[in-house]
Amino acid sequence: NAGVTQTPKFQVLKTGQSMTLQCAQDMNHNSMYWYRQDPGMGLRLIYYSASEGTTDKGEVPNGYNVSRLNKREFSLRLESAAPSQTSVYFCASSEATASYEQYFGPGTRLTVT
Amino acid sequence: GENVEQHPSTLSVQEGDSAVIKCTYSDSASNYFPWYKQELGKGPQLIIDIRSNVGEKKDQRIAVTLNKTAKHFSLHITETQPEDSAVYFCAASYYSGYALNFGKGTSLLVTP
Repeated sequence: NAGVTQTPKFQVLKTGQSMTLQCAQDMNHNSMYWYRQDPGMGLRLIYYSASEGTTDKGEVPNGYNVSRLNKREFSLRLESAAPSQTSVYFCASSEATASYEQYFGPGTRLTVT
Repeated sequence: GENVEQHPSTLSVQEGDSAVIKCTYSDSASNYFPWYKQELGKGPQLIIDIRSNVGEKKDQRIAVTLNKTAKHFSLHITETQPEDSAVYFCAASYYSGYALNFGKGTSLLVTP
């Protein structure tokens, strides 16, 4: 049982490049989330998916798109990366019914130059 | 939307002392208040949570208290140990499975 996995662990992009961050969970959770973490800012929600087939914007969605590919996988795409998107990105999942706890992945450290 | 404020931003205590971290929230509809611990290079991990029908919850050396009238909740760590050193985040949410609104974190350092 791996929990929540994220790939890649590290990535460096040039301004304007695109990339997709991958997230998968093996806990059969309904809800999945993408957060970004910046120094002194805590964790801010980018997008979330309450259940398979649905996605909703969070606090800071501009510049990002998401896809809930199936119940296990939730990807985050940067279409045209900007230096302001340099951050650590965390994916999380939760059951949404039986338990409130959100389980976090190990994070992806992204640098945009 | 919900606004969660967390204090202090840094806290240094000696091993064996107690540590208290406080959070306030703005949305009276919030009913779930978790605390997460984040160690360096890792994702946050839930350490304790409390729901709005409970005023206090304890798990060994950690406890959380909730005052719904004043809209604040606190994390208490007793008999601190060096391995308690980490960043702690409070959060609030108003229903299960949906977005958590996080505080900005408290960096706790426990010195031997």
